[in-house]
Amino acid sequence: DAGVTQSPTHLIKTRGQQVTLRCSPKSGHDTVSWYQQALGQGPQFIFQYYEEEERQRGNFPDRFSGHQFPNYSSELNVNALLLGDSALYLCASSWDFWNEQFFGPGTRLTVL
Amino acid sequence: KQEVTQIPAALSVPEGENLVLNCSFTDSAIYNLQWFRQDPGKGLTSLLLIQSSQREQTSGRLNASLDKSSGRSTLYIAASQPGDSATYLCAVPSGGYQKVTFGTGTKLQVIP
Repeated sequence: DAGVTQSPTHLIKTRGQQVTLRCSPKSGHDTVSWYQQALGQGPQFIFQYYEEEERQRGNFPDRFSGHQFPNYSSELNVNALLLGDSALYLCASSWDFWNEQFFGPGTRLTVL
Repeated sequence: KQEVTQIPAALSVPEGENLVLNCSFTDSAIYNLQWFRQDPGKGLTSLLLIQSSQREQTSGRLNASLDKSSGRSTLYIAASQPGDSATYLCAVPSGGYQKVTFGTGTKLQVIP
């Protein structure tokens, strides 16, 4: 079992651009959650996907959107990038929301 | 709104010492609580998950306890080793359970 995988590992963008991050959940998991982690902070919940629908959303603007595919993999899209979007983006998967979450290695996004 | 606090923010101990990390949360209506470790620049590794009906969980040298009524959890690490050096984070689902709130973490350094 490869566990949770994320791509790319690192990404550098400029302000105003758009970015897509990808996540493949652990085998058998149907729920994917995305988090943003700024340096020195705990992860902040962005949103959660289950059965291809956004089930819950944190305090993030509409510039942050996502998608879940029938194979449970997920994408996080961020439009009109700001310098403040620079962070480690983490994906976590679980079998529904109440079970143990497993995290991927993250995507380091730098916005210049 | 769920708020999660971890004290201390940083801790430095000599190898072999037993130690306790603390996690406090404001909304006791939680479904479970999960402890993670994070190495610098990496994703999160799940350590222990305690369901709300449980009072403690053990895995090797780690023991986590949960007191819902007082809004507290502790992570006990026995016979600490340099390899235990990392940031330790606790997380609780809230707001309908799907939204997970993290603490800011305790950065642990175990000195050989």
